[in-house]
Amino acid sequence: DGGITQSPKYLFRKEGQNVTLSCEQNLNHDAMYWYRQDPGQGLRLIYYSQIVNDFQKGDIAEGYSVSREKKESFPLTVTSAQKNPTAFYLCASSSTGIRTYEQYFGPGTRLTVT
Amino acid sequence: DQQVKQNSPSLSVQEGRISILNCDYTNSMFDYFLWYKKYPAEGPTFLISISSIKDKNEDGRFTVFLNKSAKHLSLHIVPSQPGDSAVYFCAASGAGGFKTIFGAGTRLFVKA
Repeated sequence: DGGITQSPKYLFRKEGQNVTLSCEQNLNHDAMYWYRQDPGQGLRLIYYSQIVNDFQKGDIAEGYSVSREKKESFPLTVTSAQKNPTAFYLCASSSTGIRTYEQYFGPGTRLTVT
Repeated sequence: DQQVKQNSPSLSVQEGRISILNCDYTNSMFDYFLWYKKYPAEGPTFLISISSIKDKNEDGRFTVFLNKSAKHLSLHIVPSQPGDSAVYFCAASGAGGFKTIFGAGTRLFVKA
């Protein structure tokens, strides 16, 4: 079965610690994305990558970092510089070309920082 | 600055009736619009889309209407079923599709 996996489903961290969220896809998609969802708000784009070894900042990239060393993987690191890290994080992927608009999402990781 | 707005946080509909979910946008440069459906504790799933050059797209029970002059789109679900109960996100994209803006979502309740 093709799809996107995110692990873990729930993650708890102490303030001041960096934490890395995993995202893996086996859909053979070139593009991958990270979004953040807060209560009562839509999804906001953190980072996206159109191709391996390349990524661009989204609307709320401050305090986050990513890497794209493999086509299948796009991990997100939430650094201690992120002021409000507690949120629901969603990873997505899409093909490129005419179908770029249609994104496939993973199940999400809920991060709680105390 | 909310470029995509879903002004109704929730909507309740009787099973078998029509559900109409609305969405407004401000950026006339958007060229593709999408609806996603999300169940609790899951990621959103793509439902239906429409290009800015069209005014209607239909897929089974789901129809999306686009009114460019009013910068408004709507999703019609006919007939509504209890399994349609979920949060529906309106989204808009342009210039290659990599930067998609999502609305805050509308929670639909379909009562049996």
